[in-house]
Amino acid sequence: DTAVSQTPKYLVTQMGNDKSIKCEQNLGHDTMYWYKQDSKKFLKIMFSYNNKELIINETVPNRFSPKSPDKAHLNLHINSLELGDSAVYFCASSPRDRAEKLFFGSGTQLSVL
Amino acid sequence: QKEVEQDPGPLSVPEGAIVSLNCTYSNSAFQYFMWYRQYSRKGPELLMYTYSSGNKEDGRFTAQVDKSSKYISLFIRDSQPSDSATYLCAMRGESNYKLTFGKGTLLTVNP
Repeated sequence: DTAVSQTPKYLVTQMGNDKSIKCEQNLGHDTMYWYKQDSKKFLKIMFSYNNKELIINETVPNRFSPKSPDKAHLNLHINSLELGDSAVYFCASSPRDRAEKLFFGSGTQLSVL
Repeated sequence: QKEVEQDPGPLSVPEGAIVSLNCTYSNSAFQYFMWYRQYSRKGPELLMYTYSSGNKEDGRFTAQVDKSSKYISLFIRDSQPSDSATYLCAMRGESNYKLTFGKGTLLTVNP
């Protein structure tokens, strides 16, 4: 059973399009995250939700909008995609107040052409 | 100065070698120190975490934290080709959900 699963694994799209990435975790964790890993492998947090409540919102363009329908799901919608959005996006989850125990999904490779 | 500095390598060692991976940091508020392993095209996987200063051992892996020097290390004993991956250090403060990552060190263990 996959603990943190995200879809799609690969996403190739044109500039200006809108796309979504979905994430689900079956670990019973309260906290979920979106991280972005650039071409140099640098991982940076974008958002975090604790039981559907937004608790971390880093300096991210407002074209990126996370949504958490319940504590097991965290989706990421991106409007008006730009070339610079190309990266690997990782969903992750952790127990409440235990961000050091982060479990990552396998990532979504987004390529904007 | 970046909050977390990590030598990107690449680091290439023969099988059986002892590997030392390191990170330095500038934020004295960091209290939790983590090491993640990331295989190519996979998500990072937590290897171990340490709270505050000290050592922690798990099998062939030992993590060390020296808060006075703002320096953390991961040692891998008897390295195996399956240890070939990128190793990422990460840190966070006491009441902070946000992890700050190093850029990762690419390790290759040659048979």
